[in-house]
Amino acid sequence: GDSVTQMEGPVTLSEEAFLTINCTYTATGYPSLFWYVQYPGEGLQLLLKATKADDKGSNKGFEATYRKETTSFHLEKGSVQVSDSAVYFCAYSGAGSYQLTFGKGTKLSVIP
Amino acid sequence: DSGVTQTPKHLITATGQRVTLRCSPRSGDLSVYWYQQSLDQGLQFLIQYYNGEERAKGNILERFSAQQFPDLHSELNLSSLELGDSALYFCASSVELGSLTYEQYFGPGTRLTVT
Repeated sequence: GDSVTQMEGPVTLSEEAFLTINCTYTATGYPSLFWYVQYPGEGLQLLLKATKADDKGSNKGFEATYRKETTSFHLEKGSVQVSDSAVYFCAYSGAGSYQLTFGKGTKLSVIP
Repeated sequence: DSGVTQTPKHLITATGQRVTLRCSPRSGDLSVYWYQQSLDQGLQFLIQYYNGEERAKGNILERFSAQQFPDLHSELNLSSLELGDSALYFCASSVELGSLTYEQYFGPGTRLTVT
């Protein structure tokens, strides 16, 4: 069935390090892809999205490119900050449906 | 602030009881979604309503039900509660027009603890 697989955490990085969180999906058709972020004690916030192949979503220094050939949507940031510490979820919504299927989440801790 | 409100923020109840969680979507959003977040299952879609009608069902137990009212707020009813129902329950809302995909905006969640 349709699913999202993202790298297991937790991930601990020093401030200003480069971040990559891998995400791959299994879905039919052309899903829309999302990254959501959950800060401690809060709900989910949309970080970025891409709705078709080769689209690049970007926000707050984070980027992800919709790669249909590798069914991937990896999240990257060139220089992380302590304030980026949170749980990051990769998700998709399939063509013709709107509910989100989420990965298990990756907890990121950035240390000064 | 996403504009989606959920009440209550916390709920503690005993096994076998029934509770109702409430969600008010963002102004203008017609779709409401319910998700459950637990340590073992992660984030799972439960059910979606669009303008008062059930649109899609996910991994929702028969003991759970939901509805969306004419003012577009939604309620999730959980009955015969079990310890395993302890989780964070999120509501999300979105605008849907035709076949376009719009992002979902999440509320702060209701943390349910069943003792």
